[in-house]
Amino acid sequence: SQQGEEDPQALSIQEGENATMNCSYKTSINNLQWYRQNSGRGLVHLILIRSNEREKHSGRLRVTLDTSKKSSSLLITASRAADTASYFCATDRDYKLSFGAGTTVTVRA
Amino acid sequence: KAGVTQTPRYLIKTRGQQVTLSCSPISGHRSVSWYQQTPGQGLQFLFEYFSETQRNKGNFPGRFSGRQFSNSRSEMNVSTLELGDSALYLCASSLNRDRPYNEQFFGPGTRLTVL
Repeated sequence: SQQGEEDPQALSIQEGENATMNCSYKTSINNLQWYRQNSGRGLVHLILIRSNEREKHSGRLRVTLDTSKKSSSLLITASRAADTASYFCATDRDYKLSFGAGTTVTVRA
Repeated sequence: KAGVTQTPRYLIKTRGQQVTLSCSPISGHRSVSWYQQTPGQGLQFLFEYFSETQRNKGNFPGRFSGRQFSNSRSEMNVSTLELGDSALYLCASSLNRDRPYNEQFFGPGTRLTVL
């Protein structure tokens, strides 16, 4: 079974707009990671947030983590066509990543 | 530095056959993990190896097995293939999984089709 659940399942936005997606999980974690996948290729690591951190930034990405609610969010600002991809959250525990079902983001030109 | 490499990239097999997939981690990385990705089940953890020891295993039947060599390269094997084994198999390496704060670097995957 999957640890994380992403919301929404799909998102379509205009270039330049912001995209926000959420992730909920069930058990305690060491850290939470976000990955991007383009068209069934390998996963690209975007950002890692530790369980004792609340917010982290990396370029146009902003991730928040609320361990009391067991939830995280990923914000992509000023989206570009190249951001079109599937985004997955993954919780890290016991030497394995447990992935959510992913959010498919389409950025329209 | 070269990324994670997986061979072969594409594979077509028939039911009942067996298959071996190979993964070469990033130089210096000692942890290798395997994941299966299907449209129905999403990304599922198969197993993780560190210094030739399997430290965790996902909920897959015994037909799925793996190993890691002293140079950190890893192989996974699936015996008696079933149609449901058709999937993208992803390998990931990590620098040091003794600590819990390590990102994993994924390879491009091996696309297995079982006919």
